[in-house]
Amino acid sequence: GAVVSQHPSRVICKSGTSVKIECRSLDFQATTMFWYRQFPKQSLMLMATSNEGSKATYEQGVEKDKFLINHASLTLSTLTVTSAHPEDSSFYICSARDLRGGGPKYEQYFGPGTRLTVT
Amino acid sequence: KQEVTQIPAALSVPEGENLVLNCSFTDSAIYNLQWFRQDPGKGLTSLLLIQSSQREQTSGRLNASLDKSSGRSTLYIAASQPGDSATYLCAAGYLSGYSTLTFGKGTMLLVSP
Repeated sequence: GAVVSQHPSRVICKSGTSVKIECRSLDFQATTMFWYRQFPKQSLMLMATSNEGSKATYEQGVEKDKFLINHASLTLSTLTVTSAHPEDSSFYICSARDLRGGGPKYEQYFGPGTRLTVT
Repeated sequence: KQEVTQIPAALSVPEGENLVLNCSFTDSAIYNLQWFRQDPGKGLTSLLLIQSSQREQTSGRLNASLDKSSGRSTLYIAASQPGDSATYLCAAGYLSGYSTLTFGKGTMLLVSP
């Protein structure tokens, strides 16, 4: 149980285009989803937290107009990187949490990540 | 600002050795601490989660300890195997805001046959 998927696993796009990454909780309802970014040999940095049906909360330094997050249902959150540039190339990982049961309280379940390369 | 530090950054050992990975955190008001494994280009695999009220957790050859007062956690791997080669991340969980995780940079482990 507690499986989180991400799609796509890899994406290459041209500079200036937008890319959408999906994060799905497959066997539980995710009241909260988190988006992280990881640069090579660096730790995961939290970008934003989203609760189903409400606006995402962004961490300091993360541009909300560039990284659009939508959490429209209890099983799906999307991250759209708008007008992508080469410096946005990174590994994006989502996680999901269900406070209503299933596993230790407050545990986050992580997706497999999406490798974004902007050329 | 909460910070998590992992030492060493990289470790290379021969197969069969027992080893210890270290994690320290600056804010001792953690709710839980998790250890993850990350293979190259892959996502995270949760290994052990220790609640703040616990002192250790064990799973197979892995044992994780937590000392809140000193701000430290260790991950002990017994009888290491080449398949254990990966990056090990620790993350401290805090209840402020939405209960977020603060990650260390990881320890890259290489176990040679």
